[in-house]
Amino acid sequence: GENVEQHPSTLSVQEGDSAVIKCTYSDSASNYFPWYKQELGKRPQLIIDIRSNVGEKKDQRIAVTLNKTAKHFSLHITETQPEDSAVYFCAAIFTGTASKLTFGTGTRLQVTL
Amino acid sequence: GAGVSQSPRYKVAKRGQDVALRCDPISGHVSLFWYQQALGQGPEFLTYFQNEAQLDKSGLPSDRFFAERPEGSVSTLKIQRTQQEDSAVYLCASSNRTGTYEQYFGPGTRLTVT
Repeated sequence: GENVEQHPSTLSVQEGDSAVIKCTYSDSASNYFPWYKQELGKRPQLIIDIRSNVGEKKDQRIAVTLNKTAKHFSLHITETQPEDSAVYFCAAIFTGTASKLTFGTGTRLQVTL
Repeated sequence: GAGVSQSPRYKVAKRGQDVALRCDPISGHVSLFWYQQALGQGPEFLTYFQNEAQLDKSGLPSDRFFAERPEGSVSTLKIQRTQQEDSAVYLCASSNRTGTYEQYFGPGTRLTVT
């Protein structure tokens, strides 16, 4: 079945350091991998996504890498700031599942001063 | 422009009551999704509409859950005879294309069943 695993569950970094969150997906075809940021009590906000024909994508301090052979993808945040503190979810759309997102379990990122 | 909106934002229901949750997608978005998010968990898929057609309802947890989108825009998720395990945030998302395209979420409805 379709499954996405996410690590770590919590991550604490000092302001200015980098943060890396990793996800692996199950042995099913998948071609779309978005990342969402969710602040407490707020909606999930799409921050970056990558499609299967691309290995890496950057947007300012955020980057995502995809390794289709190993079936894993990662979120990289550089020069972290306190406002980056939130829960981050990776997700995937598996082929043949009518576009539904399958989410990872989330990573609570805490950026300390 | 306006994003996805949902109402009510908060709903408290006594066990056994019926509830109706509304979603207004981004104007012109073809696809509409409902997800359920339990406390401390990631959203889990409930059902999917393409225009007015409900193409996937495999995530609905029981026959007490029913969703509709009769005119291909606003959608309503109805839960009959609510149970305590139905307590969660119900999120709606919309997308302007089918397939692997961005889904934008509404703020959710927090349902508490007492």
